[in-house]
Amino acid sequence: AQSVTQLGSHVSVSEGALVLLRCNYSSSVPPYLFWYVQYPNQGLQLLLKYTSAATLVKGINGFEAEFKKSETSFHLTKPSAHMSDAAEYFCAVSDNNAGNMLTFGGGTRLMVKP
Amino acid sequence: DTAVSQTPKYLVTQMGNDKSIKCEQNLGHDTMYWYKQDSKKFLKIMFSYNNKELIINETVPNRFSPKSPDKAHLNLHINSLELGDSAVYFCASSVLRGGATDTQYFGPGTRLTVL
Repeated sequence: AQSVTQLGSHVSVSEGALVLLRCNYSSSVPPYLFWYVQYPNQGLQLLLKYTSAATLVKGINGFEAEFKKSETSFHLTKPSAHMSDAAEYFCAVSDNNAGNMLTFGGGTRLMVKP
Repeated sequence: DTAVSQTPKYLVTQMGNDKSIKCEQNLGHDTMYWYKQDSKKFLKIMFSYNNKELIINETVPNRFSPKSPDKAHLNLHINSLELGDSAVYFCASSVLRGGATDTQYFGPGTRLTVL
C-alpha cells in the first residue's frame, strides 16, 4: 500500500523568500511522484512529476523537486516566492499496480506575505 | 478549449435525493477517474474507468454508481444523498499506457452540498 505524508498543513513565507514544501512517501514498488497545485475554487494542475529519469525535476512557475530514495522524500522548492504562488499544494504517488490511481497527501496551504 | 469539463459546478440538494454529475474530456484519453475532496481538502480516489470498463472501485458505498457511455464521458450518479456526501468531486483523465507516469488532468470540480 502506498501513502504520502505532507509535513505542515500550512506554510507561510514572505514574498521573495524560499519556498519549501515537504513530502514523504511510502511505497512497496518504485514510485512515481507528482506535485499538483490547486488555486481557490479551481481544479488541480500538475506542477511537476518524477518518473525515474532525473532525480531533480523542474516544473512550471519556477518550482522544482528532488527525489531522494534514501529519505523517501520528494520535497518541493522555489527559490523566491511570489504572491501568485499562494495556493494549496498536493503531493501524490502512483504505481502501475493500482490502475495508475493517485494517492494524495493531505495538502499544504502556502501563504505568501507581502 | 476546455480539456476536462464537469457539470454542474455547484449542486445544492436535500438529503435523500438522487443527483448526477457529468464529466467530459476532449483529450482523447482512455481512462477517467472520480476523486472526492472533503472539507479538510483531503483527496481520495473513488472510481476509475478504462475504455468504459471499471478498473478501480475504492470501497465507495453502492449509492454511488459511475457510468461511462463512451471513453470521453464518465458520469457519477448518487442515490439517497446523505449529509456526509457533501464534498467537492473532481473528474480526471489520463492515458493508461501500462505505466503510472502519465499525467492526470483534472476538471474544475463540482461542489455538492447536501442539506
